Amino acid sequence: GAVVSQHPSWVICKSGTSVKIECRSLDFQATTMFWYRQFPKQSLMLMATSNEGSKATYEQGVEKDKFLINHASLTLSTLTVTSAHPEDSSFYICSANRQAFSYEQYFGPGTRLTVT
Amino acid sequence: TQLLEQSPQFLSIQEGENLTVYCNSSSVFSSLQWYRQEPGEGPVLLVTVVTGGEVKKLKRLTFQFGDARKDSSLHITAAQPGDTGLYLCAGETSGSRLTFGEGTQLTVNP
Repeated sequence: GAVVSQHPSWVICKSGTSVKIECRSLDFQATTMFWYRQFPKQSLMLMATSNEGSKATYEQGVEKDKFLINHASLTLSTLTVTSAHPEDSSFYICSANRQAFSYEQYFGPGTRLTVT
Repeated sequence: TQLLEQSPQFLSIQEGENLTVYCNSSSVFSSLQWYRQEPGEGPVLLVTVVTGGEVKKLKRLTFQFGDARKDSSLHITAAQPGDTGLYLCAGETSGSRLTFGEGTQLTVNP
């Protein structure tokens, strides 16, 4: 149990376009989902916390108008990178908390975004 | 900002050797989790420690949470090439948010 999926697994887009990444908890309900980005050979950096039915909470330095987060249901959260630029190229990873075990996060397989 | 210092950042050892990875902070965490990540994949949860002084074993891996819940260690006995990967510690803060350490890239040579 506790499987989290992400779609797409990789995407290449042109500068100025928008890209949507989906994060789904497949076999459990997630009250909270988190979005991270990871640069090569570095650790994960939390971007935002997403709660179902409410606005996301962004970490300091993360532009909420650039990284739009929608948590539509207890099993789906989406991250939209708007007007993408090459510096947005990164590995984006989501995670989800199981409702009954709030301190355990289960991670998706990640989405590799390349902006050309 | 609550920071987690993880050491060493890189570790290359021979098969059969033992190793310890450390995760230290000046902050107290509600819980601490250890993950392992392969290239191009998301982190996989290995263990969660919650109680100060707690020790958990997972086959050849032993995890310890400090008494004050500020630090943790991961000890691997008789490392194998299959243990190669990026090991990450993460401390839980408010709102179930995780603060990650810098990671330890472990390479076990056959």
